[in-house]
Amino acid sequence: DADVTQTPRNRITKTGKRIMLECSQTKGHDRMYWYRQDPGLGLRLIYYSFDVKDINKGEISDGYSVSRQAQAKFSLSLESAIPNQTALYFCATSALPWTGKAYSNQPQHFGDGTRLSIL
Amino acid sequence: KNQVEQSPQSLIILEGKNCTLQCNYTVSPFSNLRWYKQDTGRGPVSLTIMTFSENTKSNGRYTATLDADTKQSSLHITASQLSDSASYICVVSAGGSYIPTFGRGTSLIVHP
Repeated sequence: DADVTQTPRNRITKTGKRIMLECSQTKGHDRMYWYRQDPGLGLRLIYYSFDVKDINKGEISDGYSVSRQAQAKFSLSLESAIPNQTALYFCATSALPWTGKAYSNQPQHFGDGTRLSIL
Repeated sequence: KNQVEQSPQSLIILEGKNCTLQCNYTVSPFSNLRWYKQDTGRGPVSLTIMTFSENTKSNGRYTATLDADTKQSSLHITASQLSDSASYICVVSAGGSYIPTFGRGTSLIVHP
């Protein structure tokens, strides 16, 4: 089973609809992230959360909201979808940089993405 | 503005050949640089992570180098395989910021 699971994998919907993308992880990581990937552009951070009570805006949070329901679950919502939100969405997780003995840079572990099309 | 530029945009090589991908950045202050591999239809997978004090790091046939003075990094792939066909993404993080800057990626195609 995948360590970071995103559902659904594909979604087609209409303008104005409310959409929720879900992410769950079995890695035991405290940190979770939502990214958006558009053709020809780098990934851009939408929101991130460092624990259940922590929510932070990324560089493109307008039009999106998130909920961290548990350590292992982080969902992304589009309250009223618009066509320019059509993109590939990725959830990612990472461990704390402090290992108890030293700081170390931790890689992000990505899910396989949700392809969202808004008509 | 923090930026990460990758070159070439795309590259086609024959199986067994070596290749080098480039990453130039203007992120400041520099914290770390990561290379990811993204297969078609999959999420990115981490290859290497380097901090300011590291100038080379290997992961199997992948070797990343970092020149913090010129703000350049390269990813060298040795003896390419068909499975190396993917997009390779350079990501640079600034100290004090949790928002990394992603490059647009280099699309590598390995032909038999």
